[in-house]
Amino acid sequence: SQQGEEDPQALSIQEGENATMNCSYKTSINNLQWYRQNSGRGLVHLILIRSNEREKHSGRLRVTLDTSKKSSSLLITASRAADTASYFCATRYAGGTSYGKLTFGQGTILTVHP
Amino acid sequence: NAGVTQTPKFQVLKTGQSMTLQCAQDMNHEYMSWYRQDPGMGLRLIHYSVGAGITDQGEVPNGYNVSRSTTEDFPLRLLSAAPSQTSVYFCASSYVRKGTGELFFGEGSRLTVL
Repeated sequence: SQQGEEDPQALSIQEGENATMNCSYKTSINNLQWYRQNSGRGLVHLILIRSNEREKHSGRLRVTLDTSKKSSSLLITASRAADTASYFCATRYAGGTSYGKLTFGQGTILTVHP
Repeated sequence: NAGVTQTPKFQVLKTGQSMTLQCAQDMNHEYMSWYRQDPGMGLRLIHYSVGAGITDQGEVPNGYNVSRSTTEDFPLRLLSAAPSQTSVYFCASSYVRKGTGELFFGEGSRLTVL
């Protein structure tokens, strides 16, 4: 079954606003990753947060991780029309080996209106 | 660097036909994998490999075969295509011994089975 569940399924905002997407998972994880997918393209890695980290930043991206609640959030600040895409969280099971066997959520479709 | 290259980009098959989706990477990644992406289902792992000569099943392996004779190539074979295999297929690779398992994706192969 899917490890990650994302919320909301779709998000529509205006340029300049912040976008927040949430991800919940079921089992203990080694790390959690966020990916972006533009329409008709492959996924691109955005950011990774390890299970012993609580918050991580990369440019306009901020990721938080709450292992007690088994949840993560991705915040995109000052959004741009070019941020329009689908965003997926992916988790690596803590009991697994150190390779990229990731389980993906269903994704959040973000639309940023100019 | 070409990254991960998938061919073909589009394919239409009739039920019962067989075909092979090709995947090649030039990053010397040990780990390679195949996912399928269906609307509302996120990405589901079909098969994966942690090195030449080593393959294993993912979440949805039925109807698919893989082999890994070289580090660079990881073809996915559909033995007898069924309409349920209509999907977008993604190949992804990553390091095993170094890095954190960040996946690099190809651009996808869109398969329609009539």
